[in-house]
Amino acid sequence: DTGVSQDPRHKITKRGQNVTFRCDPISEHNRLYWYRQTLGQGPEFLTYFQNEAQLEKSRLLSDRFSAERPKGSFSTLEIQRTEQGDSAMYLCASSLAGGGYGYTFGSGTRLTVV
Amino acid sequence: GQQLNQSPQSMFIQEGEDVSMNCTSSSIFNTWLWYKQDPGEGPVLLIALYKAGELTSNGRLTAQFGITRKDSFLNISASIPSDVGIYFCAGNAGGTSYGKLTFGQGTILTVHP
Repeated sequence: DTGVSQDPRHKITKRGQNVTFRCDPISEHNRLYWYRQTLGQGPEFLTYFQNEAQLEKSRLLSDRFSAERPKGSFSTLEIQRTEQGDSAMYLCASSLAGGGYGYTFGSGTRLTVV
Repeated sequence: GQQLNQSPQSMFIQEGEDVSMNCTSSSIFNTWLWYKQDPGEGPVLLIALYKAGELTSNGRLTAQFGITRKDSFLNISASIPSDVGIYFCAGNAGGTSYGKLTFGQGTILTVHP
């Protein structure tokens, strides 16, 4: 078990481009979460999945953001037409349903939009 | 929306000193958690609290779930240099928010040897 893996670790993109991030959770975890963290702030909830079902989505997740978890294993987060305000650390976490809130976070993907 | 106010924002202490930080909310939470984040890494869970009044320890760390369910504190005793990092409180309100954590703004801890 290598923990929660996120790829890439860093991404620099030009404004207006689309980007996609991948998260591989701990294999036996059926819940997967996406959070966004800007400098000097705590993580903010974006969305979460139980297996392949997206159960909750934050109002922060504009129409330009979409997340999928097609087979209930890895997940992708896509941002279309990136804006400078999208620059942040995107964190993925996983847990077992019913296992309390002991999320395991990945190391994050740092996005810089120039 | 729900917000957690964490204080202090930063602390500069000498190695060996004890540290205390707290978190308050305007609304009730059913679960309180404390995380530590090192630069360039994701947060790591330190302590989870599930019942009002609960006091839980993890080594030199002790955390309490406030009786009103609107606050929590974290104490670190006999600090060491590797305690340096950002500490976050987080809460879950249950109900339709099941699965979602709300985080505080963090307390930056610096420990001087």
